Amino acid sequence: QKEVEQNSGPLSVPEGAIASLNCTYSDRGSQSFFWYRQYSGKSPELIMFIYSNGDKEDGRFTAQLNKASQYVSLLIRDSQPSDSATYLCAVSGNYGGSQGNLIFGKGTKLSVKP
Amino acid sequence: GAGVSQSPSNKVTEKGKDVELRCDPISGHTALYWYRQSLGQGLEFLIYFQGNSAPDKSGLPSDRFSAERTGGSVSTLTIQRTQQEDSAVYLCASSSRLAGYRHQETQYFGPGTRLLVL
Repeated sequence: QKEVEQNSGPLSVPEGAIASLNCTYSDRGSQSFFWYRQYSGKSPELIMFIYSNGDKEDGRFTAQLNKASQYVSLLIRDSQPSDSATYLCAVSGNYGGSQGNLIFGKGTKLSVKP
Repeated sequence: GAGVSQSPSNKVTEKGKDVELRCDPISGHTALYWYRQSLGQGLEFLIYFQGNSAPDKSGLPSDRFSAERTGGSVSTLTIQRTQQEDSAVYLCASSSRLAGYRHQETQYFGPGTRLLVL
């Protein structure tokens, strides 16, 4: 059973702080990793994806991937109240294999306090 | 361009009735996915269509659930003899998923259909 694990939270950080969200996955053959943000009552929207070990930065967001340790994280710098949402980690199966769907974690709820 | 659209946005039905949920993917996207999200829960994969290949139905929870995709575009998810535990948000996503282009695995979600079975 391929699994993606996230701490459900809530993770509470003060405005302006760095929020760190973590995710571990069980399938060592996983190739692609995604972070989605989901506001309450809304559908998930993509924040960023990462394929290679190391860091990938996009604005205030940095995704970090460590395939050896099978974890991926998302850092949000200068957190804003508008960042308050549930963050979903998603992992795709072996690239080129038959599995086409993403496996999602249950999400971490982030609350940024003014 | 237009994103993924789903209809209806909300559906209330009585236990035992059949329902049909529709998804219109982003134009040109070959892959289409259905997920279910119960209140406060994560996304549960239901079914995946890729081009003309046989769909991956491994996530369908029971034989009351079925889906089809006509002409490689619009998809319909059908739930027969609905039960109260079927109440959830049903999300559709699409991706272009062309071979050799990893970034095109990115899935774009529709707004969802909120299903309530009384």
